[in-house]
Amino acid sequence: DAKTTQPNSMESNEEEPVHLPCNHSTISGTDYIHWYRQLPSQGPEYVIHGLTSNVNNRMASLAIAEDRKSSTLILHRATLRDAAVYYCILLNFGNEKLTFGTGTRLTIIP
Amino acid sequence: EAQVTQNPRYLITVTGKKLTVTCSQNMNHEYMSWYRQDPGLGLRQIYYSMNVEVTDKGDVPEGYKVSRKEKRNFPLILESPSPNQTSLYFCASSPRGRNTQYFGPGTRLTVL
Repeated sequence: DAKTTQPNSMESNEEEPVHLPCNHSTISGTDYIHWYRQLPSQGPEYVIHGLTSNVNNRMASLAIAEDRKSSTLILHRATLRDAAVYYCILLNFGNEKLTFGTGTRLTIIP
Repeated sequence: EAQVTQNPRYLITVTGKKLTVTCSQNMNHEYMSWYRQDPGLGLRQIYYSMNVEVTDKGDVPEGYKVSRKEKRNFPLILESPSPNQTSLYFCASSPRGRNTQYFGPGTRLTVL
């Protein structure tokens, strides 16, 4: 499976935008970019996914580089409830298996 | 409410005493999976099932069994638990081809 690289941790102030980066230089043409997050004491939660174009949903936006070797998860206005570990995962279409790395631990400062 | 449920949520047991952790989903999903989460190792897949009566090994299947007799249920069985199976376990489900998995709340297992 192609690997992803994320910073171990990031901090952001409450009510400000947060940009969480992910590098995936060995991504294949059929790999989807998925983001999950895990809040304290909970199971992972789907956030967003995309293939080539930028994507928006009620939780976040996903910006994908033109060469697809990197992507950025954008939380437009961070709240304390967004404090979690965020995982960037590559998933080949039709393959359900999620391979979790260590993710980025996001701390929100009040 | 669409959800994945796991029982029990917490369990302390002793080495060798067979146990089953249940997982049930009410979303009619075909795909179900079990993960374990350990500090420093992240989440690793134990077993998965693409549909009823279809199961396969994940990355760390040793010491575990599963069954998928009904679409909604996917129990994880530890025939002879050992201390190295002390972990936090998560069940997940997804509809085929959607690649969006829904996770249960987790089961914290301690084997003494």
